[in-house]
This record gives sequence, structure tokens and C-alpha cells, in this order.
Amino acid sequence: EAQVTQNPRYLITVTGKKLTVTCSQNMNHEYMSWYRQDPGLGLRQIYYSMNVEVTDKGDVPEGYKVSRKEKRNFPLILESPSPNQTSLYFCASSPGQGSSPLHFGNGTRLTVT
Amino acid sequence: GENVEQHPSTLSVQEGDSAVIKCTYSDSASNYFPWYKQELGKRPQLIIDIRSNVGEKKDQRIAVTLNKTAKHFSLHITETQPEDSAVYFCAAAGGYSTLTFGKGTMLLVSP
Repeated sequence: EAQVTQNPRYLITVTGKKLTVTCSQNMNHEYMSWYRQDPGLGLRQIYYSMNVEVTDKGDVPEGYKVSRKEKRNFPLILESPSPNQTSLYFCASSPGQGSSPLHFGNGTRLTVT
Repeated sequence: GENVEQHPSTLSVQEGDSAVIKCTYSDSASNYFPWYKQELGKRPQLIIDIRSNVGEKKDQRIAVTLNKTAKHFSLHITETQPEDSAVYFCAAAGGYSTLTFGKGTMLLVSP
């Protein structure tokens, strides 16, 4: 089954404790992206990647890192999480950038205390 | 960069009524306009999309219209049902740019 898999689904952590949210897709998509969803603010892009070893900042990249060492994986790294990073995070992929439908993962709800 | 405005933020209708959600975009180079539906606790899923060479597209009870001159596009849902209740997001992208999303519309369909 074609899908985007994120883990974990729920995560509670404390300020400053490094964490990684994993994302994997099995559709051989070139483009992958991370979004955060906050009430009233919609979906805001954090980082995206057009292909292996190619990443770029989205609209809200501060406090986040990503890597794209393999085509299928695109982990989101929070080196020193803060409470304002409490949010619902979605990973997504598509065959190409821009004019292609996005396939979303099931989301990761992160709480930073 | 692209800016997408979406209205209304909430929309309540009675079952069987029609619902219309409107979006405007700023970048005249945008040429791809998808709509996503997000049910409570679920991921956004594509329900319909339109490209700039088409003015209207229909899929059963859902239709999208695009006015390139005015830079706005709309989602039309006819004969609404309770299962249409969800948050709907519009988005716009052009060429090699990434998708920019509107802030979403919460649609509530009352039986």
C-alpha cells in the first residue's frame, strides 16, 4: 500500500531534550516536506526536500533541522525543543515539487513541557 | 512568495444545502490549485484539484472553479451530508514553487 509513515504518533517531552520524528514513503517520490499545524494558522511549511541531499527552508524553519540521505526517508530533528514547538506535525511527499498532489502522513502530535 | 487567503473560517449549513469556500492567491504564476479535506484527528487528503488551463472541474457533489484574472478559486459542495463536516484547505503553487496553504475552513453540516 502506497503510504507516508510517521513515527511516533504522539510524543511528550521536556524543554531541551533532543528528539527526532521519522518519516518514510514507499512511493519513490522525489519531493518531501514537513508542515506544522496550529489552530487558526493552517499548515505552515517547515522544510522541504526536492531530492536526496537537497533540502531548503520553508516558512517556519527556526528550531528545526532535516536531512535527506535516502530518497524514502526525511526525518525532522528538534535539537533543543521549546514549548512553542508544541504542535501537530505532518510529513508529506509528492512525485514533484509544486504542481503535484501531496500525500500526507498520519501526523505526530508533539507536546513540549 | 505566494499568499493564499481563505474565507470563511467557519461555515455552518443544514444537510442538503450547498457550501462554498473561497480562496484568493497573490502570485499570478501559480498554476495548480488543490483542495484538501481534513476530518477530525486525521491527515489532510486531496479531494479535488484544478490547473490553470481549466476554468471548472467537477467530481460528483464537489466542484472547483478558477478565475485566473481575479486570482481566486472556489470549492462548491452540493447536497451536503454530515460526513462532509471537516476542515477544508485550499492551496496554490506554480511551476517549481512549493504549495502554500490557506488557513482552513471548518465546515459543519447539521442533520
